[in-house]
Formats: sequence, structure tokens, C-alpha cells
Amino acid sequence: DAGVIQSPRHEVTEMGQEVTLRCKPISGHNSLFWYRQTMMRGLELLIYFNNNVPIDDSGMPEDRFSAKMPNASFSTLKIQPSEPRDSAVYFCASSRTGVGTGELFFGEGSRLTVL
Amino acid sequence: AQSVTQLDSHVSVSEGTPVLLRCNYSSSYSPSLFWYVQHPNKGLQLLLKYTSAATLVKGINGFEAEFKKSETSFHLTKPSAHMSDAAEYFCVVRYNNDMRFGAGTRLTVKP
Repeated sequence: DAGVIQSPRHEVTEMGQEVTLRCKPISGHNSLFWYRQTMMRGLELLIYFNNNVPIDDSGMPEDRFSAKMPNASFSTLKIQPSEPRDSAVYFCASSRTGVGTGELFFGEGSRLTVL
Repeated sequence: AQSVTQLDSHVSVSEGTPVLLRCNYSSSYSPSLFWYVQHPNKGLQLLLKYTSAATLVKGINGFEAEFKKSETSFHLTKPSAHMSDAAEYFCVVRYNNDMRFGAGTRLTVKP
């Protein structure tokens, strides 16, 4: 089975530009999570979806960030406009169970650099 | 509410010696507990998980962890470190979709 697939793996952009990160979860998983990882703050949960519905977006830093999950096999995380402090590795993860004890399966991450 | 504390930010061992990475958790429920490993420029990979079955859990690559409810601990061990074990390790506590990551422990393995 293919794992969680993220694209792009690397993105370098200039401040003010729009950035879109993409994620394809594992087929059959009904929960999807977006995390951000930085040296200073470690792993932070940004938002998660159950059955394509956003459940908790309290970790989204500000209105510049938005996430969508139009169907069970695709999600996007958008930053508009981007700022240098958004530079980080963004991970997408999926899980088989929305309620319970299932482990998360992580993608390889999207490394974002905002100049 | 839940939380997890990894007691060491950095552990250094020599190849062939035992590894101990410490994790304490706090939860109002009966949570599931996980250990993940992250190699440089890679995603997080599941090492092992505890989900209220056997308290001694065996994972991949020779790692194991013991759930001790009385001590609220879930320490990760390996009898003999290998150079390829050098990575960042995360302890995670989960109840439903409330999933909390520890700050991570960087394991260095010296030849």
C-alpha cells in the first residue's frame, strides 16, 4: 500500500506569495491531520479532519492559514500571504480510526522556506 | 487533559550498549501510547504502540517499551544500540483525537 503522499517535498518562495501544500491520505483512513515542525516549537497540530469535516482548527496560527479536504483522498493546506516565520516542515498524517487508539501514519513532509 | 514529558532532550550511547529513552505521561483517561522515530529529513515512523493489551510492547528494530500505570511511564529500551538508531524519538499519548507529542529525544550513537 502507498503511504501518505505529500507534495511538494520542498518549496522555496518569497514573502507575500501564496503557498499550497497537498496531501493524499492512505486509502480507507477517515482522519487526517496537518502538523508543523520547527526547531523552536517542535511538532504542532494545526488542524484535523474526520470524514472530510474539520473538527479542530485551533492550532491554525492565523487567518493566513486555511485547510480543506474536498474528498476522502485529498487535502490542502494554504498559506496566503506567506511570511518568513512560516518556514517549517509541514507534515500530513492519516489514521484509520477517528475515535480510538489507532496510530498516525505520516507523510515525508513538505519543507517550506519563505524568503 | 493529557500531556507527555520526555525527560531527556538528548541521549548519547556507544554502539552495542543499551538504550533508555524516558517518557512520562499524564491522562485523565486510559490512553494509547506510542513511540515514533524520525530520521533526518524524513517523516515520523511508528516504532511501537500500547493499547491496553500487554504492558510490555515489542516494536520494530529491537525496541520495546513497558507501560507502567503506577509510575505513569512508558520508557523505550533497546538492549544494544546500532549506528542506524541515531535519530529523534517522540513519545505520544492519544485519547480519541486528542494526540499529544513529547518534545522529542535526540539519540546519538557513538562508534
